This record gives sequence, structure tokens and C-alpha cells, in this order.
Amino acid sequence: QQQVKQSPQSLIVQKGGISIINCAYENTAFDYFPWYQQFPGKGPALLIAIRPDVSEKKEGRFTISFNKSAKQFSLHIMDSQPGDSATYFCAAAGAGSYQLTFGKGTKLSVIP
Amino acid sequence: SAVISQKPSRDICQRGTSLTIQCQVDSQVTMMFWYRQQPGQSLTLIATANQGSEATYESGFVIDKFPISRPNLTFSTLTVSNMSPEDSSIYLCSVEDRPSSYEQYFGPGTRLTVT
Repeated sequence: QQQVKQSPQSLIVQKGGISIINCAYENTAFDYFPWYQQFPGKGPALLIAIRPDVSEKKEGRFTISFNKSAKQFSLHIMDSQPGDSATYFCAAAGAGSYQLTFGKGTKLSVIP
Repeated sequence: SAVISQKPSRDICQRGTSLTIQCQVDSQVTMMFWYRQQPGQSLTLIATANQGSEATYESGFVIDKFPISRPNLTFSTLTVSNMSPEDSSIYLCSVEDRPSSYEQYFGPGTRLTVT
């Protein structure tokens, strides 16, 4: 069973702080690693994604760090804001399949 | 990115009945996917629907329970048949915006409650 393990399950960060969410995968054939942001009552929105040929990708306040040897990747949210409060899902795809395998999600709460 | 709409946005249905969920995309896409998300949980892929071929179902999901149609490159339907309270969930469609990109964009979801 292909799995993506995500931690922590929930996270509370003060406004202006850094939020860090981690994921680990098992299948070394995965070659696409996206992060999704989901607000209550909405569908998941693609936030940022990375492929294994780079170790880091930054888009605004959001950064993915990727460690191929450790089979881990993480999402860093700099200068976290209350509007970032949402559930974040990591996912992985590849191995000849376009199906996304999702982590269990992290509920982020950014408090003023 | 593709803009995706779903109908209905929510529904309350009685057990034993069926509901058909529609997914409409504003551009032509090859690959469409249907997911289920139980409250507070992650997303589970139900099936992949490519235009011109039969849908491919994941383990634990069968065509008799979740028939899917994909009549063209902008539209798909998922039917939840003979519903039970265990089918209460959010059903989401997604599309791969650019072929072979892996990038999937999701619709807003259909919240189904079965009583």
C-alpha cells in the first residue's frame, strides 16, 4: 500500500511565526509532491508543488523543502497569518500513475 | 487553471435512493477524478474517468455502487446508488489541468447526508 505519512495532525502558531508541516513517503518512484490548502466547506486548492530534481521551491510565503534520500518533504509557511488557518494536505504521485496519494492532513490554526 | 463546478453543492437523501453529482469544467481536460472525503478526513480516490473509456475504480469501490459517466471532455457525473448513512460524505471531482503534469484542481465538492 502506497502511503504518505503527514505530521503533525494539528498545529497552533502565533501570527508572524513559521508553520512547518512534514510528510514522508515510501514509494521511491513518486516524482511529484504537491501541497493542498483546504478551507471549511471548500475543495482543496493546489498551493505549491515540487519535483525531485530540486531540493527547495519557494512561492511567496510558502516553501517546500525536499529531501530525496530521506524520502521526506515539508511545507514551511513564513510570517503565518490568521488567514492561513486551514487544513493542509500533502500528496504524492508518480510511478507511472497520475493518481494522488494524500496524507491525512494538518489542521493549522494561526492565532493573533 | 481550470475552473470546476459541481452540482448539487449539498443534498440530504433518504437511504435506498440514488444521487447523481455533476462536474463541469470550463476547458477540455483528458483526466478527471472522483474523490470521497469523509468529515474531518483525508481524500480517497474513488475512480479515474477518462473520456472515451470506462472509468477505472480503486480498491473498495465498484461500478454498481458508483457508476460514472464521461460523455465529453468537459463533463462527468458520479452516481451514488442505493445509499446508506455510511455514504454520507463530501464528494469531489478534480481534473488534471495540463496533460501529464500531475497538477490536479478540485471542484468545490458536494456534501451528501444520507438519513
